[in-house]
Order: sequence, then C-alpha cells, then structure tokens
Amino acid sequence: DIQLTQSPSFLSASVGDRVTITCRASQGISSYLAWFQQKPGKAPKLLIYAASTLQSGVPSRFSGRGSGTEFTLTISSLQPEDFATYYCQQLKSYPLTFGPGTKVEIK
Amino acid sequence: EVQLVESGGGLVQPGGSLRLSCAASGFTLSDHYMDWVRQAPGKGLEWVGRSRNEINSYSTEYAASVKGRFTISRDDSKKSLYLQMNSLKTEDTAVYYCARDYYDSSNYYLDLWGQGTLVTVSS
Repeated sequence: DIQLTQSPSFLSASVGDRVTITCRASQGISSYLAWFQQKPGKAPKLLIYAASTLQSGVPSRFSGRGSGTEFTLTISSLQPEDFATYYCQQLKSYPLTFGPGTKVEIK
Repeated sequence: EVQLVESGGGLVQPGGSLRLSCAASGFTLSDHYMDWVRQAPGKGLEWVGRSRNEINSYSTEYAASVKGRFTISRDDSKKSLYLQMNSLKTEDTAVYYCARDYYDSSNYYLDLWGQGTLVTVSS
C-alpha cells in the first residue's frame, strides 16, 4: 500500500498568512494526488486534483504543486473560512489512501 | 440540483448487518465511478471501496479492512448506490460518505460528496 504523510500535522496561522502543507508518498505516484478541505461536521471538499489543477469554484489563493513523491498545497493569503483540516489522497493504486490530515487553526 | 444523499445508518450490534444507500440526483449515475469513504469519530478519512461505471462493468475494489464483509452495488434505474455491510465490528463505527468520481488526466477524482451517515457498531 502507498502511505502518505503530511507535515505539519497542526498549523497555527493568522489571517493573511501564506501557508504551505506538504504531503509525501512512500513511492512515486506521478501526479495522481488530490487535496481536500474538511470543516467540522461537514463532508470533505475537493480543492485540487491531478496535483495542481484547481477544482471549479475553488478560490485562486489555493494552489498545488509536485509530482512523484512530494507535493504541496499552498494558501497564498489565509482567510477566516480557510480554517479547517486538509487531507491529501493518492489515486495511483489501490487501495486509495489519504494522508493523516493537517489542521489549520487561528493563531 | 447535483447532489448525493446517504441514508441507512444507525446502531447495530457487533456481527450484525446494515445496508447504506446513496441517492444521486442531477447527473447520470451509470456514467460515473463511485466511492465509499468513512471517518471514525475524531479520526481521518479512510477509503472503503469503489464501483466503476457501466462501461467498466460496475467492477469493484475494496480496502483490505472490509474486503469479504462489505459489498458495493448500485441500481442505476433508482439512481442509487449501496454499501452492504456484514459481520460488522466495533472498529467499523464511522460516518460513511459516498462520493462521485470525476475523470481527468487518466484518473478519477472524488469531486462530489454526500453529507454522510453515521454507523455505530456497539452492544
């Protein structure tokens, strides 16, 4: 199985900050990676797919980069509605796996 | 409106069975791969399984933790996806989400999610 790790696991930041979350895969997954945002009590929401493609309707302050084993999700200017938990997911091979999540909280 | 609505969750004893439903609206279910994903209380996301689309004969894939106990099926005429869960264990307690897949760049990405339904396995 392909394991995903995320760093940091917890992040405290202020509105307006630039934030970067890293996702690393235990083996190469090409660009078959997605990023999700989840708020408490809500379903996950797709932000980025194919490592760097912004899902329709997602603000342009979100961006994704990477291929192979290392990927990043960047929020260029953190907004109040961005405080949430972020997960990466690999879709290279079965079983599909998620990273453990990064919780972004208000400083 | 394009949406997914899960139902069928509840309290079940260990060893019992439950069938979850996912009602799709606003799109053609048979065209899409569909997934089930679960989230134990206070924990992260865990992929449960996938049903491919009609062109791919509705073939399925499962996580090792549920293989042989859970079965994904669908009834496109009823616009519904199902998750039959047998031999339930306490560790199956979770919110279960169904999700639609979107095809891009030779892969399928979970682009639309339901609101989830809670399954509690406890005596």
